[in-house]
Amino acid sequence: DAGITQSPRHKVTETGTPVTLRCHQTENHRYMYWYRQDPGHGLRLIHYSYGVKDTDKGEVSDGYSVSRSKTEDFLLTLESATSSQTSVYFCALREDRSGNTIYFGEGSWLTVV
Amino acid sequence: QKEVEQNSGPLSVPEGAIASLNCTYSDRGSQSFFWYRQYSGKSPELIMSIYSNGDKEDGRFTAQLNKASQYVSLLIRDSQPSDSATYLCAVISSGSARQLTFGSGTQLTVLP
Repeated sequence: DAGITQSPRHKVTETGTPVTLRCHQTENHRYMYWYRQDPGHGLRLIHYSYGVKDTDKGEVSDGYSVSRSKTEDFLLTLESATSSQTSVYFCALREDRSGNTIYFGEGSWLTVV
Repeated sequence: QKEVEQNSGPLSVPEGAIASLNCTYSDRGSQSFFWYRQYSGKSPELIMSIYSNGDKEDGRFTAQLNKASQYVSLLIRDSQPSDSATYLCAVISSGSARQLTFGSGTQLTVLP
């Protein structure tokens, strides 16, 4: 257990509204990631962070922004939610002690109606 | 071209048989390879990592890596119904050392 908590776990929102998903870790690991998972596409990287205020885009970053003002929190924001952003969102972190091993949070199920 | 390819399945094997899951990757410089198991409605769970050519065994699981062929596989011996899940192959490529790229997953069903 890498101590990852995602919130909210489930959310229904309307098209055009902003949404923020939070990922919280308890062990001060540097690397954190946001993935989305959709049928037929597997897990796709949205954004990642390699330290406080250090973030970069992944494969499917359009329509998403992130912030990391503290080591323990990595926030994913949908500025104006669209139906195509209905998905399961997973936060992950890379455990520093074990090198490249990446662990996932429990997921956030987002439905945009 | 997708970087990590897996047979989408579904794959069905009888209880007690060996399940063989395969994965190919496109980046010849890739160094780190992982197998995750994902039950329906749950998050991916790491079950094996492998970094060098050859076999790595952990209980009923064996990961096999062949960098020359750009191929990684997972064998599950004495398959159990509880092994029924989607298995995800993941690779850290040479050009994106901070990122993990996933295949689409293979759905495995172990029949009692």
